[in-house]
Order: sequence, then structure tokens, then C-alpha cells
Amino acid sequence: AQSVAQPEDQVNVAEGNPLTVKCTYSVSGNPYLFWYVQYPNRGLQFLLKYITGDNLVKGSYGFEAEFNKSQTSFHLKKPSALVSDSALYFCAVRGANTGGFKTIFGAGTRLFVKA
Amino acid sequence: NAGVTQTPKFQVLKTGQSMTLQCAQDMNHNSMYWYRQDPGMGLRLIYYSASEGTTDKGEVPNGYNVSRLNKREFSLRLESAAPSQTSVYFCASRNGQGALETQYFGPGTRLLVL
Repeated sequence: AQSVAQPEDQVNVAEGNPLTVKCTYSVSGNPYLFWYVQYPNRGLQFLLKYITGDNLVKGSYGFEAEFNKSQTSFHLKKPSALVSDSALYFCAVRGANTGGFKTIFGAGTRLFVKA
Repeated sequence: NAGVTQTPKFQVLKTGQSMTLQCAQDMNHNSMYWYRQDPGMGLRLIYYSASEGTTDKGEVPNGYNVSRLNKREFSLRLESAAPSQTSVYFCASRNGQGALETQYFGPGTRLLVL
């Protein structure tokens, strides 16, 4: 069965410092991995995805994520956090052999960037 | 190009009342989805429609019905609302049926069932 774990409910970072939001997954076959961001009272917005190829994926707003197959992880990173990055972040996984419809979302991690 | 739109934005129901949540997309996407978001649980798939004329159950379909009215519209109906259905509901759409494409989400409907 597919699953996604985001072990931290909240991450606190000072503005200008690097940030990491953690995600681990479990899926049979090759994983397709996604990060979404949700701002207050808004729907989810796509940030980046890993399908195949380079393990370091670059996305919107300066975010990047590193796929680590041996650790089954897909952590979201940004070299220098902004106050405007404060939001709820969701990791999601879709198995390559599930027909493409069943995306599993993590519980979400709230990022708080302090000025 | 409005993307994915949802109505209403907010609704209060009494237990046993019925209502329909509306969703429309103008991106000519084939597949559409309904999720519910609850604190600490992420998004859970209620129903999805792979293409016009087809619908399938997701993880938590009990208490809900859906209609894929045409390619643009996908509605979610609560026939007899229960307090456990208090949640934020998101509609999403995706082009194609492959695993690679990104989903686009609507702004959500906040539902409170008393």
C-alpha cells in the first residue's frame, strides 16, 4: 500500500536561513513524487515533482527537493527562507503502476518563517 | 482562464440536510477529483472521474455521490449530511490519465454540519 509520512507538524525557521521540510514515502514500483503548497483559505498549488532522472529537482519560488531512493525520502529545501514562504506544505506520491489516479497526500507540515 | 472554480465557498448545514458542491474547470482536462481535507490527515480522495461519463470511488466515498455532468463540471452531493462530514472540500482536475501530470486545485468549500 502507498503511504506518505511528514514527520514534523511544524517547522520554524528564521528568515534568511535554509529550510528543510521532510517527507518519506512507501510505494510499490517507481514513485512519482510531488510537493504542493497551501496558503490560507486557498487551494493547493503545485511546487515541483520528481518523475525520473536527476535526483535534485528544482521548482517554483526557489524551492528544490532531493529524491533519495535508498532512504525513500523526498525532502523539500530552500537555501534562504522568506517570511512569505510561511504556509502549509504537502508531500504526495503516486505509484507508477497504480493507473495514475490514486495520489496519496501526507498530513502536511506547517512552515513558519520568522522575520 | 479561471482554472478550477468551486461554489459555494462556505456552507452551514443541519444534520440530515442535503446539498451539492459544484466544481468547474476551463482547462479542458479529462480527469477530475473530489478531496476532503481534515486537520492532521492531509487530503483524502472521495471520488474521481477519469473522463466524461465515468466516476469511481476513492478512499472515503461513503455518504457522498458525484456526477460528471460534462467535461467541465463535476459535482459532489451529500444526501443526508452528518457532523463527520464537516471538512474543507477541494476539487481538482488533471489533463490526461497518466501518472505524470500535475493536479490543479480549486479554492475549496468549507462545510460545517451542525
